[in-house]
Parts: sequence; C-alpha cells; structure tokens
Amino acid sequence: DQQVKQNSPSLSVQEGRISILNCDYTNSMFDYFLWYKKYPAEGPTFLISISSIKDKNEDGRFTVFLNKSAKHLSLHIVPSQPGDSAVYFCAASPQTGANNLFFGTGTRLTVIP
Amino acid sequence: GAVVSQHPSRVICKSGTSVKIECRSLDFQATTMFWYRQFPKQSLMLMATSNEGSKATYEQGVEKDKFLINHASLTLSTLTVTSAHPEDSSFYICSARGAGRLYEQYFGPGTRLTVT
Repeated sequence: DQQVKQNSPSLSVQEGRISILNCDYTNSMFDYFLWYKKYPAEGPTFLISISSIKDKNEDGRFTVFLNKSAKHLSLHIVPSQPGDSAVYFCAASPQTGANNLFFGTGTRLTVIP
Repeated sequence: GAVVSQHPSRVICKSGTSVKIECRSLDFQATTMFWYRQFPKQSLMLMATSNEGSKATYEQGVEKDKFLINHASLTLSTLTVTSAHPEDSSFYICSARGAGRLYEQYFGPGTRLTVT
C-alpha cells in the first residue's frame, strides 16, 4: 500500500518558469516531510524539508508547502533551470519512534532550455 | 558535509555467489543506517534499518538470511547478498543518519547489482 503518492510521473517546464511538484499522503501519523532530487544511477540528494507544525518552508529557489488537512504537499521551484532536470521524490516520516522514510514514486522533471 | 559513499558502484556476479556492498559515512557518525532497494521506475523500498552495534531490523518480506547487514562501526555498514539469484538484480542504496537528526537521511550513490 503506497502511503505517499506522486500522481504525476513526469513534468516538463520551460526554463525560467515555475515548476510545481505535488505529493499526497494517506497516513495522518506522518509529521515530517522531505523532498529529494535524484539523478540516474545516483542516490537521492536531500533538498528541503518541512515539519507538520509549519505550512511553508523556503530555501532559495525551492519552497515546500504543506496542507495537513488535505494531506498534500508541493514543491515549488522558481525560476526553473535546466540543471533542475531530475527525478524528485517526496518522503514522509511518522512521529518519533519509527523514523523510517516512506517514499513516493517520484516525478521526473524536465526543464526545457 | 553529510557525505555517504558506497562501494562498489556496479557489480556483476554469477548466480549462487555472494556479494558485499559497503556504505560509509565520510564526515559524520551514522548512528543509524538504512538499506533501500529500487526497482526500475519504482520508488525506494526500505529493506532494513541498522543501528551501530545491534542487529538490523528487517522490513516485512525481506529475508534476513539472504540480505545480511552488519553495522559494526559508526561509519560503516555492509549489506551482503548471499546466494544471489537473477531476481536480486536491482539498484541498492544506503542512507545514513547522524545522532540527533531524527528525520534527515543522507544517501549514498547506490550500487547496481546484476546477477547473471
């Protein structure tokens, strides 16, 4: 049972525009959310995270929004750059105790120059 | 900071042999290490969690006698795939988490295992 879902397997965006990647989750016990970027044949690289006590966290061109009532989070990248082209995974962690990360299936972002 | 290495990056072995994959945290002490497996076009699936000096905790459906995990020090964990079969061919990724960092995991570059 996939507890973290990324319903869009791919997304194409023009360079300079905004990229919006979406993620939904089903487990209300998740209280920390992370976004990872992954290139082929490499391990995921941590991008940005957000705690459930916040609804927004910003780091440079990357902003993550969390809507707890909707069990939805999104990653905004603006402006998008060709180097942002990669697969993006959202991940969620339950409350302290388990500390496992549950990953979504990923969204492949292509930024077109 | 927070660099994790994996070795080898790619390995091909014959069916029935065993393969060891190393995961090292290079600039921090990893109190907990995780081993994931990724099938093509699928998400990362957690196989097991290991804490330094104790036995690994395996996820449901993962054979602990087939996937041996050792976390002997705060900077090294190993995954040994024993009696490998072609269906074990996959991309194996480790991650490490330092003390006091409850959530953030830092990933190694992964190991592509091909069993012929």
